[in-house]
Amino acid sequence: GQNIDQPTEMTATEGAIVQINCTYQTSGFNGLFWYQQHAGEAPTFLSYNVLDGLEEKGRFSSFLSRSKGYSYLLLKELQMKDSASYLCAVRDNGGFKTIFGAGTRLFVKA
Amino acid sequence: GAGVSQSPRYKVAKRGQDVALRCDPISGHVSLFWYQQALGQGPEFLTYFQNEAQLDKSGLPSDRFFAERPEGSVSTLKIQRTQQEDSAVYLCASGGRLNTEAFFGQGTRLTVV
Repeated sequence: GQNIDQPTEMTATEGAIVQINCTYQTSGFNGLFWYQQHAGEAPTFLSYNVLDGLEEKGRFSSFLSRSKGYSYLLLKELQMKDSASYLCAVRDNGGFKTIFGAGTRLFVKA
Repeated sequence: GAGVSQSPRYKVAKRGQDVALRCDPISGHVSLFWYQQALGQGPEFLTYFQNEAQLDKSGLPSDRFFAERPEGSVSTLKIQRTQQEDSAVYLCASGGRLNTEAFFGQGTRLTVV
């Protein structure tokens, strides 16, 4: 079966660092995405990993281990506007179908 | 336009009514996806187009759902004989051929009463 697991909710403090984990079991793998979604808005692209390792982009970094079926999104210097849902998604071998997790709701407190 | 545009933003349909949801992708984007998102859940894949070709429709929940993209640009998702369980936000996303990122529209919130 296809399954993507990520924590339902997390809380962190403004200025801190938070790591959101994602584990997946899918029939195939052709890349992993992270999206940010504010309530009532469309998801916005954050990162794409297809090879093992860390991809850094400003305050956001994403890590992938294909052998472990594991990824994490690291957010540094948290800001109040980072309060949102963070969606982990895996694209299957065919390159078309993208399977999303239920998302992790992050609350950033002052 | 600069981004993916979907219309209408909100649609209320009576059970049994047919609806059509429109997606205008970013100009030049080859790939187009439709997703269904229930409240508090991640998007669920419905279908994928590469230009005008529908290459994957494995996520369409029933034969009441139909999608087309006849000229490889604008796409329409049609739902026939709507049911209450069809109530959700329908998201469209477009991207380049490599599909290394997707740009989502604001979605259409469908409520079936």
